[in-house]
Amino acid sequence: EADIYQTPRYLVIGTGKKITLECSQTMGHDKMYWYQQDPGMELHLIHYSYGVNSTEKGDLSSESTVSRIRTEHFPLTLESARPSHTSQYLCASRDWQTYEQYFGPGTRLTVT
Amino acid sequence: GENVEQHPSTLSVQEGDSAVIKCTYSDSASNYFPWYKQELGKRPQLIIDIRSNVGEKKDQRIAVTLNKTAKHFSLHITETQPEDSAVYFCAASWNNQGGKLIFGQGTELSVKP
Repeated sequence: EADIYQTPRYLVIGTGKKITLECSQTMGHDKMYWYQQDPGMELHLIHYSYGVNSTEKGDLSSESTVSRIRTEHFPLTLESARPSHTSQYLCASRDWQTYEQYFGPGTRLTVT
Repeated sequence: GENVEQHPSTLSVQEGDSAVIKCTYSDSASNYFPWYKQELGKRPQLIIDIRSNVGEKKDQRIAVTLNKTAKHFSLHITETQPEDSAVYFCAASWNNQGGKLIFGQGTELSVKP
């Protein structure tokens, strides 16, 4: 089934650890996005990609990095996690015809 | 920079009443305006959208209106039901900016039976 997937769904880690949040979509979309969202609050764009080998920083300053080596895969990496990184991270991809962005189920990250 | 303002932040209505949520945007180049519904613990889901060449769009109990001159757009939900309770987000997009969405602050809608 065409969808967008994120793993892990929940993650609790200690300060200073390196982590990678995975995002994959099977819809063949070129454009992909990462948002940060505290529960029930505004979504903030932190990274986006036009396609393979393209990455851009979003409007919210973030200490994370992203890569786009394959169309379907857009992982986000935190080199050294801090408590301020505790949040939900949502991945999305965009249908070029309808403009609709489809969201993944999110990764809820807690840094202790 | 681009900005989207959304009001109210919370809205409580009785079942069967109408609900209206309003958003304003800053950049007149915006050309796509979606509305997302996010239930507790779930991902945002598109409920309706409108492009800048259209003034109004309706889908059953949901409608969106766009006023390009005033740079604002609104979500209208009629005959509200308890399952409409959720957080609603408006957003604006610019096609020449990779289709990135700038979201409003969200409105928590509560429909009381």
